[in-house]
Amino acid sequence: NAGVTQTPKFQVLKTGQSMTLQCAQDMNHNSMYWYRQDPGMGLRLIYYSASEGTTDKGEVPNGYNVSRLNKREFSLRLESAAPSQTSVYFCASSERQGSTDTQYFGPGTRLTVL
Amino acid sequence: GENVEQHPSTLSVQEGDSAVIKCTYSDSASNYFPWYKQELGKRPQLIIDIRSNVGEKKDQRIAVTLNKTAKHFSLHITETQPEDSAVYFCAAVSSGSARQLTFGSGTQLTVLP
Repeated sequence: NAGVTQTPKFQVLKTGQSMTLQCAQDMNHNSMYWYRQDPGMGLRLIYYSASEGTTDKGEVPNGYNVSRLNKREFSLRLESAAPSQTSVYFCASSERQGSTDTQYFGPGTRLTVL
Repeated sequence: GENVEQHPSTLSVQEGDSAVIKCTYSDSASNYFPWYKQELGKRPQLIIDIRSNVGEKKDQRIAVTLNKTAKHFSLHITETQPEDSAVYFCAAVSSGSARQLTFGSGTQLTVLP
């Protein structure tokens, strides 16, 4: 099993450009999450999907949209990138939403917005 | 919503010594507290977790304690080794409808040989 995979690994955008970060998991998990990690601020939840067909906002959703394409895939879209969105983005999945189930993280995408 | 504070932000110890990282949380409804280790350039990985109905949990050199009354929990690493050097994050999950993970800001642990 590959676990949680993310593409791309690195990306540089200019202000105003758009892009989609892809995430897929092969563990048959119901819940998926998108976080951003900034220095000194830990991981902050952007959006999550408790199950296929549902998505909800997290702590910092502004400037982002998500799509739960199917049970395996959960994408994050930046419609008009801003320098404040320069960060490392992690996707995660768990068998159930929240609860005590472990969240497994992908390898991350390092995004720079110029 | 939940707020998790973590201290210290950096911690240096001599190899073989113990390390303690402390976290406090604000939501008394939180009932699950995982700890993640993140090595440089890598993804966060769960190292230990504790539920609110348990006061302490151990796994070899790692232990976590929980004080529900004071709303704080701690990570203890004994006999530290250089490979323990990493950033450690605490987190809390509320039993409310959202059940989101809220992370602390992280502790950079350096084990000096």
